Amino acid sequence: NAGVTQTPKFQVLKTGQSMTLQCAQDMNHEYMSWYRQDPGMGLRLIHYSVGAGITDQGEVPNGYNVSRSTTEDFPLRLLSAAPSQTSVYFCASSSWDPSGANVLTFGAGSRLTVL
Amino acid sequence: KQEVTQIPAALSVPEGENLVLNCSFTDSAIYNLQWFRQDPGKGLTSLLLIQSSQREQTSGRLNASLDKSSGRSTLYIAASQPGDSATYLCAPLGGSNYKLTFGKGTLLTVNP
Repeated sequence: NAGVTQTPKFQVLKTGQSMTLQCAQDMNHEYMSWYRQDPGMGLRLIHYSVGAGITDQGEVPNGYNVSRSTTEDFPLRLLSAAPSQTSVYFCASSSWDPSGANVLTFGAGSRLTVL
Repeated sequence: KQEVTQIPAALSVPEGENLVLNCSFTDSAIYNLQWFRQDPGKGLTSLLLIQSSQREQTSGRLNASLDKSSGRSTLYIAASQPGDSATYLCAPLGGSNYKLTFGKGTLLTVNP
C-alpha cells in the first residue's frame, strides 16, 4: 500500500516552461487536493477534487490547471512557470465520510524551483 | 473565507512539560478539524481528527478538543519529549465547500 505518491521530488524550471506534477493514490479515495507551502504563508489550497470528473478552485488557483479523469490520479499542471511558483507542493487525499471522519493523507512533497 | 490562527507561533519548552497549542477559526460550519505534525523538509502526518459532532479526541499523550461554537481547538501534549519537536498545524475542513484551510503552525522545540 503506497499511499499518496508524488513525482518528481525535485524539479528546476526556467520561466515560461510548462510541466506537470504527478499525484497518485492507491486507497480509492474520492477527495484529492493540491497545496503549496511557502515560508511565512503556510499551506494554501490550489485546487481540489471530490471525485473523478469534478474539480474546483482553492485559494490560489491562478497559473495552475488540474483534471481528474480517474479516481487514482490528480495531476497539477503549471501552464507557464513563473518565479512566484517556486514552492513546495503537496498532494493529499482522503476518503469521503459524511460523518466527517475523513483523515487526510499527504504525499512527501515536490520541491519546485523556477529560475 | 475561513481564517485560521495558531498561537503561539513558536514555543520552546524543557523536556517533561505539559503544553497546549491553540487554534482558532472564523467559520464554525466545519465537517471536522485535523491536527498535523510536520518535521523539517518532510510531509504532513495526521495526528488527530475531531469530527464536528465530537468534543475531543485522544491518542497516547495527545489530546485535542474542539469548541465549534467559539471557533477554537486546542492540542494538549502531555510529558513532552525531544522527539515531539516539530511544527504542528491545525486545519478545519469547510462544511459547505469541502476546503481544508491550514493555520501557519506552531513550531515546537522540546529541549533535553
